[in-house]
Amino acid sequence: NAGVTQTPKFRVLKTGQSMTLLCAQDMNHEYMYWYRQDPGMGLRLIHYSVGEGTTAKGEVPDGYNVSRLKKQNFLLGLESAAPSQTSVYFCASSYVQANEQFFGPGTRLTVL
Amino acid sequence: SQQGEEDPQALSIQEGENATMNCSYKTSINNLQWYRQNSGRGLVHLILIRSNEREKHSGRLRVTLDTSKKSSSLLITASRAADTASYFCATDNSGNTPLVFGKGTRLSVIA
Repeated sequence: NAGVTQTPKFRVLKTGQSMTLLCAQDMNHEYMYWYRQDPGMGLRLIHYSVGEGTTAKGEVPDGYNVSRLKKQNFLLGLESAAPSQTSVYFCASSYVQANEQFFGPGTRLTVL
Repeated sequence: SQQGEEDPQALSIQEGENATMNCSYKTSINNLQWYRQNSGRGLVHLILIRSNEREKHSGRLRVTLDTSKKSSSLLITASRAADTASYFCATDNSGNTPLVFGKGTRLSVIA
């Protein structure tokens, strides 16, 4: 099993460009999450999903959109990237919301 | 907003020593979890302790939970250089909302 995978691993964008980050899990988990991690800030939840076709806002949702068309995939979109979105993005999944989360390796995004 | 606050922010010890990290939280919880993050990698789950448990062990890890003080501690015994990582606590408040992560403790184990 691959667990949780993220594509791409690295990306550099110019201000105003758009991109989509892909997260895939092969554990048949209902719940999926997108976090950003900045120095000194820990992990902050952007959006999450409690099942196929559902999405919900987390702590820092502004400037991001998400979609969960298939149970195994959770997409994070930046419509118009800003330098403040420079960060490391982690995707995670869990079988039950209260239980352990499985994390992907992360995507390092730089917005110039 | 962060629920758990780890203390200390950074910790440096010699190989073979014990490392203790603390997590304090504000509201009642169903469970508390500890995760490890090696540099440049994703988080890895270490241990989960439920609100009705006081202590839990896993290998060299020992976790305690004091719900009256709203705090938890993670003890790593006989530390190794490979234990160098950041450690995060995460709290489950209701089971209906996602986990809330703290800002982490950076542990350096010097060989």
